[in-house]
Amino acid sequence: GESVGLHLPTLSVQEGDNSIINCAYSNSASDYFIWYKQESGKGPQFIIDIRSNMDKRQGQRVTVLLNKTVKHLSLQIAATQPGDSAVYFCAERGNAGNMLTFGGGTRLMVKP
Amino acid sequence: GAVVSQHPSWVICKSGTSVKIECRSLDFQATTMFWYRQFPKQSLMLMATSNEGSKATYEQGVEKDKFLINHASLTLSTLTVTSAHPEDSSFYICSASQLSSGNTIYFGEGSWLTVV
Repeated sequence: GESVGLHLPTLSVQEGDNSIINCAYSNSASDYFIWYKQESGKGPQFIIDIRSNMDKRQGQRVTVLLNKTVKHLSLQIAATQPGDSAVYFCAERGNAGNMLTFGGGTRLMVKP
Repeated sequence: GAVVSQHPSWVICKSGTSVKIECRSLDFQATTMFWYRQFPKQSLMLMATSNEGSKATYEQGVEKDKFLINHASLTLSTLTVTSAHPEDSSFYICSASQLSSGNTIYFGEGSWLTVV
């Protein structure tokens, strides 16, 4: 499910390393999942999506993995760069239109 | 590509006044738009679903008389915060989906509301 709290979990990585951000979702009927990147003071920016009939999808430097058995989603960022520093949210879409439910978010900090 | 625009980006208003935030789909039509609210260091929480030509659908706990939503055209939805109070200060974000691109969901840049 989603956790909403005052302190976002933080992942700190060295520039050039790979990053893995995890997310647990709650609705087994969700058919579409999206990862968003949100920089301070800005709206969410689409990164990559995956449909429930897939378990892996790759983009440019990013890979999303979906494990429907345990309702787990992960975002892998290869060769993490300082510009990747942001808060990352996973979102799931149920079977009621395009309404998205967001996870709690993870703050990624990239050390130069 | 498709763009969703919000206006204003920043607004400060006095307690008790009302403020309107606009959400526009710039180059596509959106029969449905969504309004989210985000408090500092928290995730986005869905407030309501805005339906063109009909009443909005509000999430549990969101006062429909306080957060008025109007979706008068296929490219514009407005959120009006009535009788604003300091606790309404937040980041308000809208989203819209483009059916022609496989229901890709686009977000606006958000609107910061500060009630003093």
